[in-house]
Amino acid sequence: AIQMTQSPSSLSASVGDRVIITCRASQGIRNELGWYQQKPGKAPKLLIYGASTVQTGVPSRFSGSGSGTDFTLTISSLQPEDLATYYCLQDHNYPRTFGPGTKVDIK
Amino acid sequence: EMQLVESGGGLVQPGGSLRLSCAASGFSINKYWMSWVRQAPGKGLEWVANIKQDGSDIHYVDSVKGRFAISRDYAKNLLYLQMNSLRAEDTAVYYCARDQDVHDSQSDVWYDVYDIWGQGTIVTVSS
Repeated sequence: AIQMTQSPSSLSASVGDRVIITCRASQGIRNELGWYQQKPGKAPKLLIYGASTVQTGVPSRFSGSGSGTDFTLTISSLQPEDLATYYCLQDHNYPRTFGPGTKVDIK
Repeated sequence: EMQLVESGGGLVQPGGSLRLSCAASGFSINKYWMSWVRQAPGKGLEWVANIKQDGSDIHYVDSVKGRFAISRDYAKNLLYLQMNSLRAEDTAVYYCARDQDVHDSQSDVWYDVYDIWGQGTIVTVSS
């Protein structure tokens, strides 16, 4: 199975800060990667698929990039409602695998 | 509004069985791949299984192979997860999710997009 890693595991940033989360795959997955946001006590929500395509309705401050093994999720200007854990998910092959998550706190 | 609602969770002893259900409103699950994803207490997300629209293609994570079975009821528009030989490590919130195939015509790549999720149902395996 493809192993997904994320860094950092957690971060604390101020409102308005630029936040970058990285995800790495143990083998090349082209751009078959999604990003999901999970707020406390809630189900996950799709943010980005195909590494860089922002899902309809997701604020424009969220963006994704990368291909192969290295990917990033960027929040251009952190907002209070972005307090959540962010997961990457590869859909290159089976079994699908999530990264361990990055918890984002607001200072 | 399109939504998914899971049911069937509960407390079960090790070695026991449970069947989870997932009902859709606002769309027909028969038109989509569907998936189950779980989350152990305080842990991250784990993809469990998915099933193609016609049931002809099914995949599982290794840890549940031979114990869990994903299926559909086309008439009732329901998704199921039959869980047998349950273990303590199966304790989790179980989410069903719509697993939509999205085609990028430029690159001719199909993406799995988990775009609708239920609220989850809690499964606790304990004696």
